Amino acid sequence: QKEVEQNSGPLSVPEGAIASLNCTYSDRGSQSFFWYRQYSGKSPELIMSIYSNGDKEDGRFTAQLNKASQYVSLLIRDSQPSDSATYLCAVSFLGGNTPLVFGKGTRLSVIA
Amino acid sequence: EPEVTQTPSHQVTQMGQEVILRCVPISNHLYFYWYRQILGQKVEFLVSFYNNEISEKSEIFDDQFSVERPDGSNFTLKIRSTKLEDSAMYFCASSHRGVLLTEAFFGQGTRLTVV
Repeated sequence: QKEVEQNSGPLSVPEGAIASLNCTYSDRGSQSFFWYRQYSGKSPELIMSIYSNGDKEDGRFTAQLNKASQYVSLLIRDSQPSDSATYLCAVSFLGGNTPLVFGKGTRLSVIA
Repeated sequence: EPEVTQTPSHQVTQMGQEVILRCVPISNHLYFYWYRQILGQKVEFLVSFYNNEISEKSEIFDDQFSVERPDGSNFTLKIRSTKLEDSAMYFCASSHRGVLLTEAFFGQGTRLTVV
């Protein structure tokens, strides 16, 4: 059974701080990793994707992947109240167009 | 910016009735998916569709479910005889054909309520 694990939170950070969200996955052969943001009652919105070890930066977001530790994280710099949402980690275990396995998500609350 | 669109946004149906959820994927995408999310739970894969046939399906996708691409733009999910436990948000997603890193984009969802 392929599993993706996330701390459900809530994670509370003050406005302007760095939010750090973590995810572990069960299958060492996993290929592609994604972070989605989901506001309450809305659909998942893709914010970052990564498939090679190391860091990938896009604006205020940095995804970090460590395949040896089976660990992927998302850093949000200069957190804003509008970043308050649930962040879903998703893994494509075989890469390509194979289905995503989602974690339960971490709820982030940015306090103004 | 191209997006996946789903209709209806909310569907209420009686137990035992058939429902059809509709999706228009992003126009140059070749892979289509249905996922569902029961309230308070994780997003779960149902089925993927490529080249006019199912490419993968989960254990959830039993004989009560079917998918179809009736024309060049629509992609539908049919639930033949709805049960109370089918109540959930149903998301359609689409992606390019990819080798390693293929990003899937989700529609806004259909909230299905079975009463």
